[in-house]
Amino acid sequence: ETGVTQSPTHLIKTRGQQVTLRCSSQSGHNTVSWYQQALGQGPQFIFQYYREEENGRGNFPPRFSGLQFPNYSSELNVNALELDDSALYLCASSPAGRNTIYFGEGSWLTVV
Amino acid sequence: KQEVTQIPAALSVPEGENLVLNCSFTDSAIYNLQWFRQDPGKGLTSLLLIQSSQREQTSGRLNASLDKSSGRSTLYIAASQPGDSATYLCAVRANSGAGSYQLTFGKGTKLSVIP
Repeated sequence: ETGVTQSPTHLIKTRGQQVTLRCSSQSGHNTVSWYQQALGQGPQFIFQYYREEENGRGNFPPRFSGLQFPNYSSELNVNALELDDSALYLCASSPAGRNTIYFGEGSWLTVV
Repeated sequence: KQEVTQIPAALSVPEGENLVLNCSFTDSAIYNLQWFRQDPGKGLTSLLLIQSSQREQTSGRLNASLDKSSGRSTLYIAASQPGDSATYLCAVRANSGAGSYQLTFGKGTKLSVIP
């Protein structure tokens, strides 16, 4: 049990649509990051939020955006979905000043 | 750009065997290295974390080593069990600026332990 909860667990969207994935972290985990894991690949870093501000971004286009809220929840939004966006999306959180990172179970997104 | 490679991509061993998983990375300027376990369709569970100043970490039957200068890490699993069957991922963490500590992952090694 990592204390990181993601929703929904599975969803199917049509190409061109928009999707919002949600993550809830433990109290005090003020750093949250999101990763995309395609089938058979390692997770790829999308971006990181610290105290509600984005402070790091991987090689993903602007249609991938996020929000972090004061209650330690966060969102990943993807606009104009493409078939290649089909993947497992993982949320990870870290407590302040610690190296430990906790991953959620992920949200499986299928774009058809 | 940091790149992480894991060898082998897949490994099948009989129960009870000791085994070694390998990880290499191209940029030695890392903050730490972690090994994760991922069961099919699930999230990641952290197994061991080695700080850049450390050489190894142990937890139960698992031992991970780090040679930062050569860009290599190994995960040693002793007396393997069928329950160890999973994908093992290696990830390095670097300070990518503005306090962001992103993880760069390898593609993983899929381990099957045969009873």
